Amino acid sequence: EAGVTQSPTHLIKTRGQQATLRCSPISGHTSVYWYQQALGLGLQFLLWYDEGEERNRGNFPPRFSGRQFPNYSSELNVNALELEDSALYLCASSLERYTEAFFGQGTRLTVV
Amino acid sequence: AQRVTQPEKLLSVFKGAPVELKCNYSYSGSPELFWYVQYSRQRLQLLLRHISRESIKGFTADLNKGETSFHLKKPFAQEEDSAMYYCALGDNFNKFYFGSGTKLNVKP
Repeated sequence: EAGVTQSPTHLIKTRGQQATLRCSPISGHTSVYWYQQALGLGLQFLLWYDEGEERNRGNFPPRFSGRQFPNYSSELNVNALELEDSALYLCASSLERYTEAFFGQGTRLTVV
Repeated sequence: AQRVTQPEKLLSVFKGAPVELKCNYSYSGSPELFWYVQYSRQRLQLLLRHISRESIKGFTADLNKGETSFHLKKPFAQEEDSAMYYCALGDNFNKFYFGSGTKLNVKP
């Protein structure tokens, strides 16, 4: 069975541009979580989608947004990119609350 | 507010020695606590969760509500245990808070 897949693996953008990151959860999983892993800061919670709706978000500005599609895949959009947005963005999926969350390999976003 | 604190960035032990990775949390409700592990070049994966009270790969973790801790322990470390370990807390609103991680290095 395929795990959580994220694309692209690497993304290089210039400051001010927009970035779109994609995540496909494990088949049957309805919850998708997004995290930012900046160097030395651990994992920071970004967004949680479940059944197509945004259920919760972390302490990030509105230029971080996303959506979940009917097939439960998800997109994370980051507008007006700033240098400090450079990080590894991880997506995780789970079947229901507090069951095991399965992580993707991440998208390495570099803003120059 | 910092929900999960892992005070050690790096922990080095010799093979066969006991290991304890510290995790303290701050939450007023009834949290769910987890330990995740990331081996070299692999994705982050769940190691164990406190509600299961299970032992995985010889690791155990006990939730101490008085000390608000959820330390990860193993009596005899193995070289293959070398990895990055993250403590995580799930709150009542399905937010997950991760600590900054502890890198465990088990020396031969």
